Order: sequence, then structure tokens, then C-alpha cells
Amino acid sequence: QQQVKQSPQSLIVQKGGISIINCAYENTAFDYFPWYQQFPGKGPALLIAIRPDVSEKKEGRFTISFNKSAKQFSLHIMDSQPGDSATYFCAAPKGANNLFFGTGTRLTVIP
Amino acid sequence: NAGVMQNPRHLVRRRGQEARLRCSPMKGHSHVYWYRQLPEEGLKFMVYLQKENIIDESGMPKERFSAEFPKEGPSILRIQQVVRGDSAAYFCASSPPGAAAGTEAFFGQGTRLTVV
Repeated sequence: QQQVKQSPQSLIVQKGGISIINCAYENTAFDYFPWYQQFPGKGPALLIAIRPDVSEKKEGRFTISFNKSAKQFSLHIMDSQPGDSATYFCAAPKGANNLFFGTGTRLTVIP
Repeated sequence: NAGVMQNPRHLVRRRGQEARLRCSPMKGHSHVYWYRQLPEEGLKFMVYLQKENIIDESGMPKERFSAEFPKEGPSILRIQQVVRGDSAAYFCASSPPGAAAGTEAFFGQGTRLTVV
């Protein structure tokens, strides 16, 4: 069964620090790896996504690094802010029809 | 352009009753996905539908659960004879035609089902 393994389960970072969340996936023929951000009581929102024809994608303070040979990808949040405190999910294609989500990382940014 | 609309936001049902959850996809979107999220857990895929067709229901429990996406109107996730273990947040997502299935998915705010 397709799996996406996400770590850590929770993360506490000081304001201004770098938050790093990692995901590993199993074999897949599809090339799309998004990260979702979820605030309490809200639905997940697409944050940033990468296709592995590139090794890195940056949008503002958020960067995805992708290592296709290792089947790993990570989310880096630079200059982390208290407003970034949320749960982050990585995802990878599950067959042709939908996304398989990681178990989530609860990020807390301390002022 | 309104986002994915789910209703109700909160639903309380007694054991044995039926729960009916609605999802209106974003305008122009023809793919609908339902996910279940248990407390402190990730999103578990349930079913993927296009208009009038169930494409993948591999995540749906074999009994009591059904889903539809009619030609007109919202997608419906129906849970018959609810049990306490059905208590969870149910999220709907939609994506546009032409997007690779599963990509560019936008989520609604979810329906939180509580079975008492």
C-alpha cells in the first residue's frame, strides 16, 4: 500500500527560527508532491507543491526540497512566525485518483 | 468565486440515525473527494467522484457508507445507522477538470460529526 511517512509528529520552534518537516514516500509513477496547512477547526489549505523535475521550489518563506532518488521531500519554513503555528500535511499521489496524506506535523512557533 | 462549501459545519446524531453531509465544489470543478479525519490523525481518503460517477471508492467502509455526486446539486456523503466510531471531521475537496486527478485539490471547512 502506498504510504507517506511524515516526521516529526510535533515541532516547537522559536520565532525567527527554521522549521523543517520531512516526508518519505514509496514508489510512485506520478509526480506531484503538495504540502497542506491546516489551522484548528479549518480545512487543509494547499500551501506549496512541487513536481520533481526540479529539486527545490521556494515561495516566500516556504521552500520544498525534493530528493527523487531517496524518495524524500521536505518543507522548510524560514523566519518562522507564531502565525505559522498549524498542522502541516505532506501528500503524494495514490494511484491515479487521489492523494495519500502523511499523518501531520503540529508546529508551534513560540514568540 | 466561492470556495468548496460544506454543510452542515457541525452535526450531532444519535446512534442508529442517518447522517447526510453535503459538499458543493468550487465553480467549474468536476472532481470531488471525501476524506475523514480522526482527532490527532491525518486525512484518510474515502471516495473520489465525478459527476454521476464513482471513480474510486476504495477507502469507503463496505457497509453503511455511500456517496453520490448527481448531475445537479451537491455531492452527498451518507452514513446510515451511525455508531460512535463514525465521529470525525469529514472533509470534501474539489479539483478542476484537466488537473491530474488528486492534484490542485481545494478543501472545504469540513463537517464535524458527533455521534452520541
